Amino acid sequence: QKEVEQNSGPLSVPEGAIASLNCTYSDRVSQSFFWYRQYSGKSPELIMSIYSNGDKEDGRFTAQLNKASQYVSLLIRDSQPSDSATYLCAVNKNNNDMRFGAGTRLTVKP
Amino acid sequence: DTEVTQTPKHLVMGMTNKKSLKCEQHMGHRAMYWYKQKAKKPPELMFVYSYEKLSINESVPSRFSPECPNSSLLNLHLHALQPEDSALYLCASSRPGQGAREQYFGPGTRLTVT
Repeated sequence: QKEVEQNSGPLSVPEGAIASLNCTYSDRVSQSFFWYRQYSGKSPELIMSIYSNGDKEDGRFTAQLNKASQYVSLLIRDSQPSDSATYLCAVNKNNNDMRFGAGTRLTVKP
Repeated sequence: DTEVTQTPKHLVMGMTNKKSLKCEQHMGHRAMYWYKQKAKKPPELMFVYSYEKLSINESVPSRFSPECPNSSLLNLHLHALQPEDSALYLCASSRPGQGAREQYFGPGTRLTVT
């Protein structure tokens, strides 16, 4: 079982729709959870972090965490073509040990 | 300021060359990381320095040698690399210790081994 699992996609949504990205993790002691956006040929950019159960909203982005189900998700409202990228789920196991999922490729069609 | 800088942006080296990648941050972060990323794959952790001491070494071959001269700088020395080592090498930094540890990435060095 992979430590962090994501659907690789591609996920395609029309402009203005809600994009839903999902991630599960295997290590119950994981403490911190992150979503990174990576455009082709660029480095990962941190867009959301979440540490406790529930929802966390930042602009058009909402991260959701359920530690009992070992599940974290990212919702992107009013999706724009500029949101087209690969979204990486990352889980901080302990101290500085971060593990990434394989990433979900999102395409937002105008 | 969440800027991490890396030099060079691109590097082409032969299998007998010795080269170094450099990373710098001025955010006061005391944890710094090297990752390797192959095309269409997620970043893979190579090394972690916490308070200038190597804390994690993910069984990386000895042809990769990290160095942390001070709290702002991180180097990766390369020697006798193989073509399969061609990848994007990413540096990141974060606050160490308990609690939130968002990692901020530099732009990366695109390495090609010929």
